[in-house]
Amino acid sequence: NAGVTQTPKFQVLKTGQSMTLQCAQDMNHNSMYWYRQDPGMGLRLIYYSASEGTTDKGEVPNGYNVSRLNKREFSLRLESAAPSQTSVYFCASSGKPWDRGGNTIYFGEGSWLTVV
Amino acid sequence: GENVEQHPSTLSVQEGDSAVIKCTYSDSASNYFPWYKQELGKRPQLIIDIRSNVGEKKDQRIAVTLNKTAKHFSLHITETQPEDSAVYFCAARGYGGSQGNLIFGKGTKLSVKP
Repeated sequence: NAGVTQTPKFQVLKTGQSMTLQCAQDMNHNSMYWYRQDPGMGLRLIYYSASEGTTDKGEVPNGYNVSRLNKREFSLRLESAAPSQTSVYFCASSGKPWDRGGNTIYFGEGSWLTVV
Repeated sequence: GENVEQHPSTLSVQEGDSAVIKCTYSDSASNYFPWYKQELGKRPQLIIDIRSNVGEKKDQRIAVTLNKTAKHFSLHITETQPEDSAVYFCAARGYGGSQGNLIFGKGTKLSVKP
């Protein structure tokens, strides 16, 4: 049981390049999320997916796209990377709020992205 | 939407002392308030949470209190140890739709000096 797995762990991009962050969870969770973490800014929600087939914008969606490929996988794409997107990205998942422990959000290990 | 304010941003205590971190939230409909601990270079992990129908919850050396009227909640760590050094995040979640997502505070860096 690996929990939430995301790749790559580290990436350096040039301005204007594109890339996709991959995320998978093996906990049969309905909800998945992408957060970014910047110094002094906490964790900000980029996009979320409440269930397979649905995605919605969070607090800071500009410059990103997502795909909920199936129940397990939720990817984040940067179409044209900018230095302002230098950050640590966390994928996360959670179960149904009414299930025991369903409120808990489980995070992946993080992806350190630098855009130069 | 929900807004969560967290104070202080940094906190330094002597080993054995208590530490208190406070958060306020704006949406009176929020009903779930977790606390996450993030060690340097690691992922955030849930340490304790509380629902809006409970005023206080304890788990060994940590406790969380909730004041719904004032819309604030606090994390209390007693008998602090060096391994408690980390960044702590509070969060609040409303009910349903986009309001059902967690909104995080900006974090408190706790340093416990031996």
